Amino acid sequence: DAGITQSPRHKVTETGTPVTLRCHQTENHRYMYWYRQDPGHGLRLIHYSYGVKDTDKGEVSDGYSVSRSKTEDFLLTLESATSSQTSVYFCAIRGLQYTGELFFGEGSRLTVL
Amino acid sequence: TQLLEQSPQFLSIQEGENLTVYCNSSSVFSSLQWYRQEPGEGPVLLVTVVTGGEVKKLKRLTFQFGDARKDSSLHITAAQPGDTGLYLCAGARSGGGADGLTFGKGTHLIIQP
Repeated sequence: DAGITQSPRHKVTETGTPVTLRCHQTENHRYMYWYRQDPGHGLRLIHYSYGVKDTDKGEVSDGYSVSRSKTEDFLLTLESATSSQTSVYFCAIRGLQYTGELFFGEGSRLTVL
Repeated sequence: TQLLEQSPQFLSIQEGENLTVYCNSSSVFSSLQWYRQEPGEGPVLLVTVVTGGEVKKLKRLTFQFGDARKDSSLHITAAQPGDTGLYLCAGARSGGGADGLTFGKGTHLIIQP
């Protein structure tokens, strides 16, 4: 058990509303990541963090913002949700090996109507 | 963008048969990992390969990293229904994947009793 908790696990919202997904880790790891998983696209990186207040964009960052005010929490915000953001979102932490293994949370399923 | 192409996308075989899943790229990766994902859960790390030509065995699963570190394969011997799941390969660029891993789209494997 990698000690990663995502909340909420399921959410249904309407187009145009703001949404925040939370990832909480108990491992005190430096690196944290947000991915989305869609049929036909696999897992794609949205944003990642390499420390408190240190974040960078991934492959599909448009429409998303992140914040990390403390080591254990990494928040993903959709300022104005769109139907194309309907997806399953996974948070991950990077292991301590130099090879970059990831440990994932259980995912947050978001539906934007 | 570095791409990882997995094949086949879908595979359904009978219990006891052998199978191989492929992960190919035109880019070199510093390491390559295989994950397994079950419905409603996050991906779980199976193995990491680092050295070109490396072969690792995990019970009935054999993982190989290509000599040029651009491709990998997963071979399952005498498949069992418990092997059913989504298998994902993921590559780390230089820097040990600190900026995230690149994932293939996955292979959906079904082992029928």
